[in-house]
Amino acid sequence: ELKVEQNPLFLSMQEGKNYTIYCNYSTTSDRLYWYRQDPGKSLESLFVLLSNGAVKQEGRLMASLDTKARLSTLHITAAVHDLSATYFCAVRPDSNYQLIWGAGTKLIIKP
Amino acid sequence: DTGVSQDPRHKITKRGQNVTFRCDPISEHNRLYWYRQTLGQGPEFLTYFQNEAQLEKSRLLSDRFSAERPKGSFSTLEIQRTEQGDSAMYLCASSLFRDIRSGNTIYFGEGSWLTVV
Repeated sequence: ELKVEQNPLFLSMQEGKNYTIYCNYSTTSDRLYWYRQDPGKSLESLFVLLSNGAVKQEGRLMASLDTKARLSTLHITAAVHDLSATYFCAVRPDSNYQLIWGAGTKLIIKP
Repeated sequence: DTGVSQDPRHKITKRGQNVTFRCDPISEHNRLYWYRQTLGQGPEFLTYFQNEAQLEKSRLLSDRFSAERPKGSFSTLEIQRTEQGDSAMYLCASSLFRDIRSGNTIYFGEGSWLTVV
């Protein structure tokens, strides 16, 4: 069964702290996506990771991919309140075009 | 605004009625996807088009669901004989596929909320 597991599912943290969200997946994959979703809103693309060892950074967010371990991380540096949202990772298995999604990590950053 | 647009944004319908959602993808995007999302869950894949061809349909999708993309541009998703379990947000997304190695970011619309009463 194809599975994408995110950890933690809920995270409450203080502004200025660092933290990492983990995304494990059970199948081989040729790409991994990270999205952000605000309550009642659609999904905003953050990163697309294509290869083993890929690292991408945008502002306070940095995503990495280890295809051998089937693990991606989303690291938050010096969190600010505006980063409060739910973060999803999604994996595209090699065999087809359907994205398999994690359950999401709800991130709350307190001032 | 040149993003993915969906209509209507909200729909309340009685059980047993049919509903149709429309999606206008980003211009020139050749791939179009439909997903469904319920509260607290990640999106669930429904179906996907490349140009006008429907290339994949989720096995979870019942026969009450049908999607079309007749001219390879906008798409419609119809749900017949709606049930309360169909209540969800229906998300449309699009991307530009060039080759299997390209990143092709998938852009999502704002979603269409369906409530079946």
